[in-house]
Amino acid sequence: GAVVSQHPSWVICKSGTSVKIECRSLDFQATTMFWYRQFPKQSLMLMATSNEGSKATYEQGVEKDKFLINHASLTLSTLTVTSAHPEDSSFYICSANYPARGRYEQYFGPGTRLTVT
Amino acid sequence: DAKTTQPTSMDCAEGRAANLPCNHSTISGNEYVYWYRQIHSQGPQYIIHGLKNNETNEMASLIITEDRKSSTLILPHATLRDTAVYYCIVRPSDTGTASKLTFGTGTRLQVTL
Repeated sequence: GAVVSQHPSWVICKSGTSVKIECRSLDFQATTMFWYRQFPKQSLMLMATSNEGSKATYEQGVEKDKFLINHASLTLSTLTVTSAHPEDSSFYICSANYPARGRYEQYFGPGTRLTVT
Repeated sequence: DAKTTQPTSMDCAEGRAANLPCNHSTISGNEYVYWYRQIHSQGPQYIIHGLKNNETNEMASLIITEDRKSSTLILPHATLRDTAVYYCIVRPSDTGTASKLTFGTGTRLQVTL
Protein backbone atom coordinates (compact mmCIF):
# COMPACT_ATOMS: atom_id res chain seq x y z
CA GLY A 1 0.00 0.00 0.00
CA ALA A 2 0.83 3.74 0.07
CA VAL A 3 1.83 4.14 -3.56
CA VAL A 4 2.15 7.63 -4.97
CA SER A 5 2.53 8.27 -8.68
CA GLN A 6 3.44 11.33 -10.70
CA HIS A 7 2.80 12.20 -14.30
CA PRO A 8 4.67 12.94 -16.40
CA SER A 9 8.00 11.55 -15.26
CA TRP A 10 9.78 14.13 -17.37
CA VAL A 11 8.72 17.08 -19.50
CA ILE A 12 10.45 19.59 -21.74
CA CYS A 13 8.68 22.86 -22.44
CA LYS A 14 9.49 26.17 -24.05
CA SER A 15 10.03 29.32 -22.06
CA GLY A 16 6.77 31.18 -21.44
CA THR A 17 4.52 28.15 -21.59
CA SER A 18 2.75 26.43 -18.72
CA VAL A 19 3.12 22.84 -17.63
CA LYS A 20 0.96 20.73 -15.34
CA ILE A 21 2.27 17.93 -13.12
CA GLU A 22 -0.07 15.40 -11.53
CA CYS A 23 0.37 13.63 -8.21
CA ARG A 24 -1.88 10.69 -7.39
CA SER A 25 -2.29 8.47 -4.37
CA LEU A 26 -3.08 5.13 -5.98
CA ASP A 27 -4.34 2.98 -3.13
CA PHE A 28 -5.29 5.43 -0.41
CA GLN A 29 -6.96 8.77 0.07
CA ALA A 30 -4.85 11.76 1.03
CA THR A 31 -6.35 14.91 2.43
CA THR A 32 -2.91 16.48 2.41
CA MET A 33 -0.19 16.33 -0.21
CA PHE A 34 3.10 18.19 -0.39
CA TRP A 35 5.11 19.58 -3.29
CA TYR A 36 8.89 19.77 -3.20
CA ARG A 37 11.49 21.06 -5.61
CA GLN A 38 15.04 19.79 -5.91
CA PHE A 39 17.82 21.46 -7.88
CA PRO A 40 20.87 19.43 -8.96
CA LYS A 41 23.12 18.37 -6.10
CA GLN A 42 20.82 20.03 -3.58
CA SER A 43 18.32 18.76 -1.05
CA LEU A 44 14.54 18.79 -1.31
CA MET A 45 12.88 22.09 -0.56
CA LEU A 46 9.22 22.18 0.40
CA MET A 47 7.23 24.47 -1.87
CA ALA A 48 3.69 24.10 -0.60
CA THR A 49 1.19 22.01 1.30
CA SER A 50 -1.83 20.98 -0.72
CA ASN A 51 -5.11 20.46 1.11
CA GLU A 52 -8.11 18.77 -0.48
CA GLY A 53 -10.95 21.18 -0.97
CA SER A 54 -9.10 24.27 0.20
CA LYS A 55 -6.29 26.59 -0.82
CA ALA A 56 -2.72 25.45 -0.69
CA THR A 57 -0.31 26.81 1.86
CA TYR A 58 2.90 28.10 0.28
CA GLU A 59 6.32 28.30 1.88
CA GLN A 60 8.01 31.64 2.18
CA GLY A 61 9.52 32.78 -1.09
CA VAL A 62 7.38 30.55 -3.31
CA GLU A 63 5.18 32.51 -5.70
CA LYS A 64 1.63 31.20 -5.45
CA ASP A 65 0.62 32.82 -8.74
CA LYS A 66 3.44 31.08 -10.55
CA PHE A 67 3.04 27.64 -8.99
CA LEU A 68 -0.68 26.90 -9.03
CA ILE A 69 -1.78 23.98 -6.89
CA ASN A 70 -5.15 22.28 -7.14
CA HIS A 71 -6.19 19.43 -4.84
CA ALA A 72 -9.64 18.71 -6.22
CA SER A 73 -10.02 15.15 -5.00
CA LEU A 74 -8.70 12.91 -2.25
CA THR A 75 -6.39 11.15 -4.68
CA LEU A 76 -5.16 13.89 -6.98
CA SER A 77 -3.16 17.09 -6.59
CA THR A 78 -1.80 19.07 -9.51
CA LEU A 79 1.03 21.59 -9.73
CA THR A 80 0.97 23.97 -12.68
CA VAL A 81 4.11 25.95 -13.42
CA THR A 82 2.87 29.02 -15.24
CA SER A 83 4.98 31.02 -17.68
CA ALA A 84 7.89 28.71 -17.11
CA HIS A 85 11.44 29.99 -17.47
CA PRO A 86 14.77 28.15 -17.59
CA GLU A 87 15.36 28.83 -13.88
CA ASP A 88 12.24 26.75 -13.15
CA SER A 89 14.00 23.69 -14.53
CA SER A 90 14.16 21.31 -11.62
CA PHE A 91 13.06 17.96 -10.19
CA TYR A 92 9.56 18.29 -8.73
CA ILE A 93 8.49 15.70 -6.17
CA CYS A 94 5.17 15.25 -4.44
CA SER A 95 4.29 13.33 -1.31
CA ALA A 96 1.02 12.29 0.25
CA ASN A 97 0.03 11.82 3.85
CA TYR A 98 -0.79 8.22 4.63
CA PRO A 99 -2.32 7.23 7.98
CA ALA A 100 -0.04 4.65 9.55
CA ARG A 101 0.82 3.55 13.05
CA GLY A 102 -1.53 6.16 14.54
CA ARG A 103 0.23 8.98 12.73
CA TYR A 104 0.43 10.48 9.27
CA GLU A 105 3.49 9.43 7.31
CA GLN A 106 4.63 10.96 4.03
CA TYR A 107 5.06 8.71 1.04
CA PHE A 108 6.74 10.17 -2.00
CA GLY A 109 6.14 10.01 -5.71
CA PRO A 110 8.93 9.20 -8.17
CA GLY A 111 9.39 12.82 -9.21
CA THR A 112 8.98 14.83 -12.41
CA ARG A 113 11.96 16.34 -14.14
CA LEU A 114 11.08 19.65 -15.80
CA THR A 115 13.37 21.20 -18.37
CA VAL A 116 12.50 24.64 -19.70
CA THR A 117 14.27 25.62 -22.90
CA ASP B 1 12.24 21.63 14.49
CA ALA B 2 15.62 20.41 15.68
CA LYS B 3 18.52 20.61 13.24
CA THR B 4 20.46 17.51 12.23
CA THR B 5 24.11 17.11 11.24
CA GLN B 6 25.31 14.27 9.03
CA PRO B 7 28.61 13.49 7.32
CA THR B 8 28.61 14.56 3.69
CA SER B 9 29.61 11.19 2.33
CA MET B 10 30.56 7.66 3.30
CA ASP B 11 31.79 4.55 1.55
CA CYS B 12 30.93 0.96 2.38
CA ALA B 13 31.98 -2.35 0.88
CA GLU B 14 29.21 -4.54 -0.41
CA GLY B 15 28.12 -7.13 2.12
CA ARG B 16 29.42 -5.15 5.08
CA ALA B 17 27.31 -3.17 7.51
CA ALA B 18 26.84 0.50 6.75
CA ASN B 19 26.61 2.69 9.83
CA LEU B 20 25.32 6.18 9.15
CA PRO B 21 25.54 8.65 12.05
CA CYS B 22 23.32 11.63 12.73
CA ASN B 23 23.70 14.32 15.34
CA HIS B 24 20.55 15.97 16.67
CA SER B 25 21.75 17.53 19.90
CA THR B 26 18.86 20.02 20.12
CA ILE B 27 16.13 17.40 19.81
CA SER B 28 13.22 17.90 22.17
CA GLY B 29 11.30 15.28 24.07
CA ASN B 30 8.38 15.02 21.67
CA GLU B 31 10.42 14.76 18.48
CA TYR B 32 10.98 11.57 16.51
CA VAL B 33 14.03 10.68 14.44
CA TYR B 34 13.16 9.70 10.87
CA TRP B 35 15.36 8.29 8.14
CA TYR B 36 14.64 8.52 4.44
CA ARG B 37 16.85 7.74 1.48
CA GLN B 38 16.86 9.00 -2.07
CA ILE B 39 18.28 6.95 -4.87
CA HIS B 40 19.48 9.05 -7.79
CA SER B 41 16.63 10.73 -9.70
CA GLN B 42 13.92 9.11 -7.61
CA GLY B 43 11.61 10.27 -4.84
CA PRO B 44 12.66 9.73 -1.21
CA GLN B 45 11.89 6.38 0.38
CA TYR B 46 10.93 5.97 4.03
CA ILE B 47 13.31 3.71 5.94
CA ILE B 48 12.58 3.80 9.65
CA HIS B 49 11.78 6.08 12.56
CA GLY B 50 12.04 6.02 16.35
CA LEU B 51 11.54 8.07 19.49
CA LYS B 52 13.91 6.68 22.11
CA ASN B 53 13.99 2.91 21.78
CA ASN B 54 16.06 1.15 19.17
CA GLU B 55 14.02 0.06 16.18
CA THR B 56 14.46 -2.61 13.53
CA ASN B 57 12.56 -3.42 10.38
CA GLU B 58 13.23 -5.33 7.19
CA MET B 59 15.37 -2.54 5.80
CA ALA B 60 17.47 -1.29 8.67
CA SER B 61 18.06 -0.78 12.37
CA LEU B 62 17.97 2.53 14.19
CA ILE B 63 20.07 3.01 17.30
CA ILE B 64 19.28 6.12 19.36
CA THR B 65 21.59 7.12 22.20
CA GLU B 66 20.17 7.31 25.68
CA ASP B 67 20.36 11.11 25.73
CA ARG B 68 18.75 11.12 22.26
CA LYS B 69 21.30 13.60 20.97
CA SER B 70 22.50 11.28 18.23
CA SER B 71 21.47 8.20 16.32
CA THR B 72 22.89 5.67 13.89
CA LEU B 73 21.16 4.03 10.97
CA ILE B 74 22.50 0.56 10.30
CA LEU B 75 22.14 -1.27 7.00
CA PRO B 76 23.29 -4.73 8.08
CA HIS B 77 24.45 -6.06 4.71
CA ALA B 78 24.84 -3.23 2.24
CA THR B 79 24.35 -3.92 -1.46
CA LEU B 80 25.05 -1.80 -4.50
CA ARG B 81 21.35 -0.91 -4.59
CA ASP B 82 21.74 0.83 -1.23
CA THR B 83 23.85 3.54 -2.86
CA ALA B 84 21.82 6.68 -2.17
CA VAL B 85 21.60 9.90 -0.17
CA TYR B 86 20.37 9.18 3.35
CA TYR B 87 18.47 11.87 5.21
CA CYS B 88 18.09 12.03 8.98
CA ILE B 89 15.10 14.19 9.93
CA VAL B 90 13.73 15.23 13.30
CA ARG B 91 9.97 15.57 13.38
CA PRO B 92 7.47 16.45 16.12
CA SER B 93 5.42 13.59 17.46
CA ASP B 94 2.20 15.53 16.99
CA THR B 95 1.91 14.82 13.30
CA GLY B 96 -1.26 16.41 12.15
CA THR B 97 -2.08 16.19 8.51
CA ALA B 98 -0.02 19.29 7.75
CA SER B 99 3.14 18.11 9.48
CA LYS B 100 6.16 18.92 7.34
CA LEU B 101 9.45 17.19 6.69
CA THR B 102 12.54 19.39 6.54
CA PHE B 103 15.34 17.79 4.55
CA GLY B 104 18.95 18.63 5.28
CA THR B 105 21.88 17.82 3.03
CA GLY B 106 22.05 14.15 4.00
CA THR B 107 24.86 11.59 3.67
CA ARG B 108 25.79 10.25 0.28
CA LEU B 109 26.48 6.54 0.78
CA GLN B 110 28.50 4.84 -1.91
CA VAL B 111 28.50 1.05 -1.75
CA THR B 112 31.39 -0.51 -3.65
CA LEU B 113 32.36 -3.99 -4.77
